Amino acid sequence: KAGVTQTPRYLIKTRGQQVTLSCSPISGHRSVSWYQQTPGQGLQFLFEYFSETQRNKGNFPGRFSGRQFSNSRSEMNVSTLELGDSALYLCASSLTGAGTGELFFGEGSRLTVL
Amino acid sequence: DAKTTQPPSMDCAEGRAANLPCNHSTISGNEYVYWYRQIHSQGPQYIIHGLKNNETNEMASLIITEDRKSSTLILPHATLRDTAVYYCIVRPLGGGSNYKLTFGKGTLLTVNP
Repeated sequence: KAGVTQTPRYLIKTRGQQVTLSCSPISGHRSVSWYQQTPGQGLQFLFEYFSETQRNKGNFPGRFSGRQFSNSRSEMNVSTLELGDSALYLCASSLTGAGTGELFFGEGSRLTVL
Repeated sequence: DAKTTQPPSMDCAEGRAANLPCNHSTISGNEYVYWYRQIHSQGPQYIIHGLKNNETNEMASLIITEDRKSSTLILPHATLRDTAVYYCIVRPLGGGSNYKLTFGKGTLLTVNP
């Protein structure tokens, strides 16, 4: 079956702009969780959506937001971009939730903020 | 959550077994040991997980000590494509909605020809 699909794979933005990233989970998975990965901080949890509801959130400012649609596809948005937002953004889908079982990660969206 | 400690890097010759250690001395009774790996510029890939018994699948074997304070991931015949960062994490299997997955620095395994 198809894996987790993230779009776009690469993007370049400037400070102050906003960006929307998309994630399509594995068919049948209702949980989508988002992560930021940087060389200095490693992989950090942003938030998780399960059946269109946000049920867990990491320690990121309110500029980072997300949503999930009825078909389980999820988007995350970052507003007022800062240089420090440059990172690989990963999403993972799971059948039972980000706190349980296997996580299946997408290839990531690499954001560069200039 | 229990913290894990892994060596920052290891080398292995192609065709030999790669043994990657992980210490998790504060692991709780309901926490499982999971291994993921991340090949450069790709998303992490699930490898294997276990509670207290040794586990084997088509990718690797997982050996967990009897006191569960450490484990070893074994790639029986390493290939060049196994060069990656390997992450050991502990997480509750039935652990609910408050869990926030965090990977540490992991071990960079370099498989040499």
